[in-house]
Amino acid sequence: DQQVKQNSPSLSVQEGRISILNCDYTNSMFDYFLWYKKYPAEGPTFLISISSIKDKNEDGRFTVFLNKSAKHLSLHIVPSQPGDSAVYFCAAIRDRGSTLGRLYFGRGTQLTVWP
Amino acid sequence: EAEVAQSPRYKITEKSQAVAFWCDPISGHATLYWYRQILGQGPELLVQFQDESVVDDSQLPKDRFSAERLKGVDSTLKIQPAELGDSAMYLCASSLRSARSGYTFGSGTRLTVV
Repeated sequence: DQQVKQNSPSLSVQEGRISILNCDYTNSMFDYFLWYKKYPAEGPTFLISISSIKDKNEDGRFTVFLNKSAKHLSLHIVPSQPGDSAVYFCAAIRDRGSTLGRLYFGRGTQLTVWP
Repeated sequence: EAEVAQSPRYKITEKSQAVAFWCDPISGHATLYWYRQILGQGPELLVQFQDESVVDDSQLPKDRFSAERLKGVDSTLKIQPAELGDSAMYLCASSLRSARSGYTFGSGTRLTVV
């Protein structure tokens, strides 16, 4: 039962344009959300996160938006660069205050930024 | 920058053989996680340790998988016997205490069972 869903397996964007990666979740107990970036043969690296009490968090070229009523979040990358080409995973934590820190991941979206 | 160390990076093993992976978390990180990522899917938690104790192994196939963190520092994940469906990337991660303090993942071990 996939509780975090990334319905687009791939996204192709021209350099300099905006990349928008989407993520939906089903479990209303999730209270913290994260985006990870992964290159082949490497582990995921943390990109940006957002608490469920916020609707937006920004860090340089990366902005994450959260719509709790729709159980939807999105990652915006502006401007996109060729080095951003990677697989992006959306992840969620249930009860962030707990010592049980299991991350629930989506299947990932392969972003390709072409010159 | 502190890293989570994993070895080996790649492992090819025959079906029914035993295989083991090792992880050394960032110094001082009390919480250690083992995740498995099957190609085309997101990582899924296999087991979580808090110091030397297992706090979540609900997704660990205990008939063939075992994990230990004897001194609360490094950890070993073992599969015996390996099956074709175990081919995946095995990722170790650590955090200071709970997930709220952030995770750091290692580079993983790519297992191929033939």
